[in-house]
Amino acid sequence: EPEVTQTPSHQVTQMGQEVILRCVPISNHLYFYWYRQILGQKVEFLVSFYNNEISEKSEIFDDQFSVERPDGSNFTLKIRSTKLEDSAMYFCASSAGGIDTQYFGPGTRLTVL
Amino acid sequence: GQNIDQPTEMTATEGAIVQINCTYQTSGFNGLFWYQQHAGEAPTFLSYNVLDGLEEKGRFSSFLSRSKGYSYLLLKELQMKDSASYLCAVRDSGYSTLTFGKGTMLLVSP
Repeated sequence: EPEVTQTPSHQVTQMGQEVILRCVPISNHLYFYWYRQILGQKVEFLVSFYNNEISEKSEIFDDQFSVERPDGSNFTLKIRSTKLEDSAMYFCASSAGGIDTQYFGPGTRLTVL
Repeated sequence: GQNIDQPTEMTATEGAIVQINCTYQTSGFNGLFWYQQHAGEAPTFLSYNVLDGLEEKGRFSSFLSRSKGYSYLLLKELQMKDSASYLCAVRDSGYSTLTFGKGTMLLVSP
């Protein structure tokens, strides 16, 4: 069964450093998402991406964040200058269409020291 | 905006039936999803309702009443592996993004 994959599973970085989180969505899906979940809190939407551009973004997704689809399979989230409060689990998700079920990857646990 | 409420915790016994409620207040509505999340893992899709009524998938069923802003997830024949957090998520009309509730932690005991 096709699934969303994410790398790395765990990333530790120093405050102020740049990180890139990688995702490979399900191959025939057209919509891609990033969510985050701070430990013990709810899953929060960051950004959605369709047709090579951002379609929606939340207030969390400020200028420090960017997304890219560098090739036909990868979808990345970049945090330019990490802050302590960026420590969270970051989930990538994809869906076939905009109103279809979103399937989540296993997540990347980001720890900012 | 969306406001989604679910109970924080529930406990039940193996073999029993449990109902997890979710109420929502939204400016628009285009579907309600239930996900299961084990600790440290990704949310896994369970069910989806966009019209009023009951959707059944094996041991899991989900109900929606749009006029009441209410849904529930029903789990039958509980198993120990059903111990997890159950997330209610609403999709706003015209948008594809999901807004999640805080989740209900279900503990199944022998």
